[in-house]
Amino acid sequence: KAGVTQTPRYLIKTRGQQVTLSCSPISGHRSVSWYQQTPGQGLQFLFEYFSETQRNKGNFPGRFSGRQFSNSRSEMNVSTLELGDSALYLCASERTGGTGELFFGEGSRLTVL
Amino acid sequence: GENVEQHPSTLSVQEGDSAVIKCTYSDSASNYFPWYKQELGKGPQLIIDIRSNVGEKKDQRIAVTLNKTAKHFSLHITETQPEDSAVYFCAARSMDSNYQLIWGAGTKLIIKP
Repeated sequence: KAGVTQTPRYLIKTRGQQVTLSCSPISGHRSVSWYQQTPGQGLQFLFEYFSETQRNKGNFPGRFSGRQFSNSRSEMNVSTLELGDSALYLCASERTGGTGELFFGEGSRLTVL
Repeated sequence: GENVEQHPSTLSVQEGDSAVIKCTYSDSASNYFPWYKQELGKGPQLIIDIRSNVGEKKDQRIAVTLNKTAKHFSLHITETQPEDSAVYFCAARSMDSNYQLIWGAGTKLIIKP
């Protein structure tokens, strides 16, 4: 069974640009969450989508947005990139009616210059 | 809202010894406490979890204990092995955080040969 797939794995952008990251959840999982991971800050929750609807949102500015498609694949977008947006962005999927376990992808490492 | 503190930030132990990582949480309504392990270059992976109706749970060399009165929970790894070297994250979930996991900042565990 394929795991959570995130693309691209690495990318470099400059300040002011925008970026789109993609996440394909485990087949059959309808919940997708996004996290930002920076050294010393742990995992910061961005948002969660379930059946194409945003179910929860963390405390991030409006420059961070996301969406989910009918096949449960999700994308997140960051506009007007800032140096502080450099981080590992992790996507996780969760099985509906499951135990609460999150299945993470390997992440997309974004560097903003 | 919920706040989770994790200590220590780095833990170095001799191979074969035990390792203990502690987390405290603030929201007494929290009822689910997972532990995730993140190896270098990978996303976090659930290793063990505990719910508020249980005081202790074991899985081979790994155990988690929960003290609801003191609002803290701990991860215990016995007979540590080189492959236990990783970053470990604790988390807590409560209705008050809209069932979102609130994460600790992580503990880097180093197993010395």
